[in-house]
Amino acid sequence: GAVVSQHPSRVICKSGTSVKIECRSLDFQATTMFWYRQFPKQSLMLMATSNEGSKATYEQGVEKDKFLINHASLTLSTLTVTSAHPEDSSFYICSARDERTAHYNEQFFGPGTRLTVL
Amino acid sequence: SQQGEEDPQALSIQEGENATMNCSYKTSINNLQWYRQNSGRGLVHLILIRSNEREKHSGRLRVTLDTSKKSSSLLITASRAADTASYFCARLETSGSRLTFGEGTQLTVNP
Repeated sequence: GAVVSQHPSRVICKSGTSVKIECRSLDFQATTMFWYRQFPKQSLMLMATSNEGSKATYEQGVEKDKFLINHASLTLSTLTVTSAHPEDSSFYICSARDERTAHYNEQFFGPGTRLTVL
Repeated sequence: SQQGEEDPQALSIQEGENATMNCSYKTSINNLQWYRQNSGRGLVHLILIRSNEREKHSGRLRVTLDTSKKSSSLLITASRAADTASYFCARLETSGSRLTFGEGTQLTVNP
């Protein structure tokens, strides 16, 4: 149980285009999902917390108009990188918190999406 | 660092040896979690240890937590080449609801 999927796993796009990444919890409901970004050989940096039915909470320094987050259902959150530029190239990882163990904040991570902006 | 520190940054050992990774932090925590990440892949949850626990085991993994020293360690016994990966600690602070990740330890187990 507690499987999280991400789609696509890898995407290459041209500078200026927008890219949508999906994060799904497959066998549990997730009121809260998290989006992280990871640059090569670095740790995960939290970008935003996605809350079902409400606006996402963004970390300091993350542009909410550039990284659009939609959490329309208890099993799906999407991250759209708008007007992507080469510096947005990174590994984007989502996680979902199982509400049954929410008090521990145990998160289940997706396999990640490798974004390359040319 | 705000993220907390992990050491060593890189560790290279032979198969069969034990590997110890350490994690330090500065704030009060609710729990601390260890994750594994293979190169270019997502994270796999290994162990969660609560602030009122001192030690936890899972197979070849042993995690300790010393809240007085604000540190945790992950021990992998009888390592295997397949254990080669990056290992991250992540803490849930009592003041918040988000996980903060350490900088990670790159473990290489040589066959």
